[in-house]
Amino acid sequence: DAGITQSPRHKVTETGTPVTLRCHQTENHRYMYWYRQDPGHGLRLIHYSYGVKDTDKGEVSDGYSVSRSKTEDFLLTLESATSSQTSVYFCAISDEYSNQPQHFGDGTRLSIL
Amino acid sequence: DQQVKQNSPSLSVQEGRISILNCDYTNSMFDYFLWYKKYPAEGPTFLISISSIKDKNEDGRFTVFLNKSAKHLSLHIVPSQPGDSAVYFCAASVGSSNTGKLIFGQGTTLQVKP
Repeated sequence: DAGITQSPRHKVTETGTPVTLRCHQTENHRYMYWYRQDPGHGLRLIHYSYGVKDTDKGEVSDGYSVSRSKTEDFLLTLESATSSQTSVYFCAISDEYSNQPQHFGDGTRLSIL
Repeated sequence: DQQVKQNSPSLSVQEGRISILNCDYTNSMFDYFLWYKKYPAEGPTFLISISSIKDKNEDGRFTVFLNKSAKHLSLHIVPSQPGDSAVYFCAASVGSSNTGKLIFGQGTTLQVKP
């Protein structure tokens, strides 16, 4: 999607391996979010960032960490992936000066075997 | 404890008819309610929103109704078109929907038949 790039788009890995997903934005928005989408649960917030080096936990943060060293990049790390973390991961961005609410990337499909 | 619920996993309507998607919530502190549409292999896209101080917001074929006393909102699509076939998520936020955390429902899959 224009303005937000998620990488990789697909990944298959094994239980116990570390995984890092990247969200890159070109909109210079202050807020960035990571969600996971699972059947029967909709989208659930994992972590979010309200500025460089400023992050906080969402409702399903266990097993995940994030980092934001510059405005345009927000990284989601699974330190030791488990099968329960198989999901589709979405990044979103927003800004208090925009008239639009959160805008989403196209997602990363992650399978942990 | 799910604060936002969409109790109908799926809905099928005929082209040209009205589609009504429903959403219930439990947190009376929500300030904004939003609807997102999602096609397969794409991210959700914002459709329409409503502030808690209003009871209706309209944008073209899409209208959202809010009933605060019942803690219920609905999305009406009139007339429905085959291109409207997608998963629809309702979401809510405390404070600004631009800077606050969004709480999503489980989604409703709408199929519009030609």
